[in-house]
Amino acid sequence: KNQVEQSPQSLIILEGKNCTLQCNYTVSPFSNLRWYKQDTGRGPVSLTIMTFSENTKSNGRYTATLDADTKQSSLHITASQLSDSASYICVVTPRTGGGNKLTFGTGTQLKVEL
Amino acid sequence: DAGITQSPRHKVTETGTPVTLRCHQTENHRYMYWYRQDPGHGLRLIHYSYGVKDTDKGEVSDGYSVSRSKTEDFLLTLESATSSQTSVYFCAISRTRDGDQPQHFGDGTRLSIL
Repeated sequence: KNQVEQSPQSLIILEGKNCTLQCNYTVSPFSNLRWYKQDTGRGPVSLTIMTFSENTKSNGRYTATLDADTKQSSLHITASQLSDSASYICVVTPRTGGGNKLTFGTGTQLKVEL
Repeated sequence: DAGITQSPRHKVTETGTPVTLRCHQTENHRYMYWYRQDPGHGLRLIHYSYGVKDTDKGEVSDGYSVSRSKTEDFLLTLESATSSQTSVYFCAISRTRDGDQPQHFGDGTRLSIL
């Protein structure tokens, strides 16, 4: 069964610090890997997307990396802000099948404190 | 934000009663999805639709039915609600079928079944 595992489950950091979230997946072959941000009480919002041939993708202070050989991705947040407090979800799309075949991780809950 | 409205946003009901959740979109996207989100699980697909009157089952479809009579509306019905269906339900839409375009999510319906 396709799986996406994320670590850590939760994380607390001080404002201004950097952090890195991890995603390991078994989906193979895959079409793309996305990171979503989900604020409390809201739906997930797409942050980045990488295809299997891409190694890195940035969106402002968010940088995602992908190692397709080891089936690992990371999301690095630079100079964290209070507004970064949210759940970050890793989602993998298989090459076969489409939008009905996404595999979602359980998310990393990030809290940024003063 | 994508034009997706879920209603109601919160609902408390009793076991055995029928419940209908509504998803309304103003983006004219063809593809629509219903997910549930529970602690310890990634988002799980309940049902999806590839167009008017074109629906299919997802991973966790037992106890749920859907209908799509118009492009903009996708309804999720719990025929006889059970406590195991207490969850947060998200509707999502996408422009393409293949997963290369992001799914845009509504802000969810928190459903409690007592």
